[in-house]
Amino acid sequence: AQSVTQLGSHVSVSEGALVLLRCNYSSSVPPYLFWYVQYPNQGLQLLLKYTSAATLVKGINGFEAEFKKSETSFHLTKPSAHMSDAAEYFCAVSDPSGTYKYIFGTGTRLKVLA
Amino acid sequence: KAGVTQTPRYLIKTRGQQVTLSCSPISGHRSVSWYQQTPGQGLQFLFEYFSETQRNKGNFPGRFSGRQFSNSRSEMNVSTLELGDSALYLCASSPDRVNEQFFGPGTRLTVL
Repeated sequence: AQSVTQLGSHVSVSEGALVLLRCNYSSSVPPYLFWYVQYPNQGLQLLLKYTSAATLVKGINGFEAEFKKSETSFHLTKPSAHMSDAAEYFCAVSDPSGTYKYIFGTGTRLKVLA
Repeated sequence: KAGVTQTPRYLIKTRGQQVTLSCSPISGHRSVSWYQQTPGQGLQFLFEYFSETQRNKGNFPGRFSGRQFSNSRSEMNVSTLELGDSALYLCASSPDRVNEQFFGPGTRLTVL
């Protein structure tokens, strides 16, 4: 069965500092992996996705993530945090060989300090 | 292209009532999924429809049901509402099973 673990329900960084949000997955087959962002009172917006092509994936707003099969990880990074990055971030996994059901992590709320 | 739209955006109901939420996917998308989001449980998958057929179902009681129409619009229904059903209900559409999901703004349901 697939699962997603996001370490750290809350992360605080200073403006301009590196953002690192952690995501580990469990899947019996090579999965599809996604990062979504949710701003208050809004739906989820796709940041980036991994679908078995390049392992380093670049997304919107300067975010990127690296798929590491050996570590079963898909951590999200951004070199320099901006105040507008404050939001909740969700990692999700989908099994492309089976049900394609999305499994979301519990989310990480990012706070950016001035 | 217009995004995923959900109506209504806000809803207040009392215990025991039933409610129907509507979702219009992006034009050309045939897959529609529904999620319940609460502070305590996070994002939980309800069900997914593709070409009017339910393909996946989450672990929710039978009070939660859905359907999809031939134009891909989808509705979900919750009967005999309970206080714990208060949540943000999100709808997401996708052109197929492979690609990412596009989310609507959600319907905020409050059960009193």
